Order: sequence, then C-alpha cells, then structure tokens
Amino acid sequence: NAGVMQNPRHLVRRRGQEARLRCSPMKGHSHVYWYRQLPEEGLKFMVYLQKENIIDESGMPKERFSAEFPKEGPSILRIQQVVRGDSAAYFCASSREGGQPQHFGDGTRLSIL
Amino acid sequence: GQQLNQSPQSMFIQEGEDVSMNCTSSSIFNTWLWYKQDPGEGPVLLIALYKAGELTSNGRLTAQFGITRKDSFLNISASIPSDVGIYFCAGLGGTYKYIFGTGTRLKVLA
Repeated sequence: NAGVMQNPRHLVRRRGQEARLRCSPMKGHSHVYWYRQLPEEGLKFMVYLQKENIIDESGMPKERFSAEFPKEGPSILRIQQVVRGDSAAYFCASSREGGQPQHFGDGTRLSIL
Repeated sequence: GQQLNQSPQSMFIQEGEDVSMNCTSSSIFNTWLWYKQDPGEGPVLLIALYKAGELTSNGRLTAQFGITRKDSFLNISASIPSDVGIYFCAGLGGTYKYIFGTGTRLKVLA
C-alpha cells in the first residue's frame, strides 16, 4: 500500500498525558500537512512541513502542540498535557510539491478521558 | 480569513437521481479539489480542477471550475447507495494552503 499511513488509528489518553501521532507520506511525497476534524465539521489546517522544516504552523496552537518531519522516519504530531478539548480526528495529508493535490491518510481518532 | 461555503449542507435523494452541490468563496482560487469522506476514513480525492471554466469528469462525477474562480460545482449522475458520504471542496488559497469547505452530507435512499 503506497498511500499515506497514519498510526495509531485510535488513541486514548488521560488528561495530562502526551499523545504522539505518526504519519508516513506517500512514496515520493516530501510535503506533509496536518489537519484536525471535529464531528460534523470540516478539516482545519494545523501545520505544513517539508523534510526537516516547518513551513507554516499558523493553524497549530502555540502551547502544547508541536510537529516535526525528520530526515528519516515519519512526521510526528505531538500533543503534550492533553485536555478534553483535544479530542478529535487528526488527519495527515501529503503531496509531491506544495500546492499539488493532497492525499490523506485514514486519520488518528484521539479520545481524552 | 478565507472561507468556503458549501451547499447544501445535507441532502437526501432517491437512488438513481442526479445530485448537484456547490462551493462558493469570497476569494479567488487557483485550484479546486473535490473529496469524498466515508465514516471512519480519510478524504479521498475525486477530481482536481486547475483552470477557470474547466469541466472534468470521473465516472459518474463531473466537476466544474467556475468562471469567476470563486466557485466550483460537483454533479453526481444516477446516484447509487455507495455514493453516501460527505463531500468536501477545497480551494488553493496561495501557493500551498488549501481551504476546506464544511461539507455536503449525502444520503441515498434505496
């Protein structure tokens, strides 16, 4: 399967814990985007990364949230000290170049107890 | 900020009927994308449009890039039960950031 791979598909955390969401882009894609989706809503842009660089993090909260896309390995979206309001589906997308159509993974559904 | 309005928000149709939905913006976009999302899955790209006035088909789906570059339309002909899902439009606002609409929820009655 050469598509965008996200894991885990479901993640349960207690308030105050850390959540780590992983995304491996499609083969040949070096641009990664993270989105957040609440039930019955659309996709909200969080952050755009290229290998080893954050290009645009304007949609990501300044505190507790961070993202990286290292030279080797998947992109990671990290949420520290999770709160109930962090519960959502988090989707990763990738593209070959910026501005080209983005292809999505199946998301990580984060639930905070 | 840029916003995309999709309409209708939801629709129930009979199997075999044609479906029309649209997406409008207050801003000009250079690229329009249409996606379908099934429950529990990620959005799947259906059609990409790159030029004003462009009309592109993918099977029973046809999408158009509006001449004003502020809107786009998606039509589904002869709907079937597996067409159920949420359809999202996305417009390219700038060089890399796509703005997504709020979705049209389609339900097909057999």
